Amino acid sequence: GESVGLHLPTLSVQEGDNSIINCAYSNSASDYFIWYKQESGKGPQFIIDIRSNMDKRQGQRVTVLLNKTVKHLSLQIAATQPGDSAVYFCAENNYGQNFVFGPGTRLSVLP
Amino acid sequence: SAVISQKPSRDICQRGTSLTIQCQVDSQVTMMFWYRQQPGQSLTLIATANQGSEATYESGFVIDKFPISRPNLTFSTLTVSNMSPEDSSIYLCSVDMTGGNTEAFFGQGTRLTVV
Repeated sequence: GESVGLHLPTLSVQEGDNSIINCAYSNSASDYFIWYKQESGKGPQFIIDIRSNMDKRQGQRVTVLLNKTVKHLSLQIAATQPGDSAVYFCAENNYGQNFVFGPGTRLSVLP
Repeated sequence: SAVISQKPSRDICQRGTSLTIQCQVDSQVTMMFWYRQQPGQSLTLIATANQGSEATYESGFVIDKFPISRPNLTFSTLTVSNMSPEDSSIYLCSVDMTGGNTEAFFGQGTRLTVV
């Protein structure tokens, strides 16, 4: 299949290890944040979201952490699996304006 | 949620020609968005398309180059006009069900190669 991001930063992790993907967002007024996963040949898919009144939110195998002081967002994936290999984007939204996407990180899961 | 279908999924076009990309949603939505994703890049918003009004373009994008139609609440088209190799990208349609308060849904994208 096609490669979405040939020159993106890459994070390589061993299968079964935990992954941490980081994102610095730009607008201190942003109040809603999403992590998207994009596999080759597909559009971005929702993983997890968090609002600015929270600093942590957990889903199934994923956790998002928000640090508004330094405008930093992270995505933690527990027990990383081969199916987690993809490009991950953070996106921020400011009170109903359009989403602004971060640069993306390619996650590569090693057997 | 929303299911979004884009056509075509990919195309190879000659420079100087135009391509119209279609986006069909399975439910009525107020806001539809068109993004461009250049090779190795993130998503950049081209314009917001609202039914019954002209599209709102982001800085760096103009209507003459990327005309958009939004004839009803479930459909939109994006045309890439007078194409050059620099227009080679993935073009993505997105919908927002609640005005930015929840996730935006994406189509699978249209991979355009201009030769």
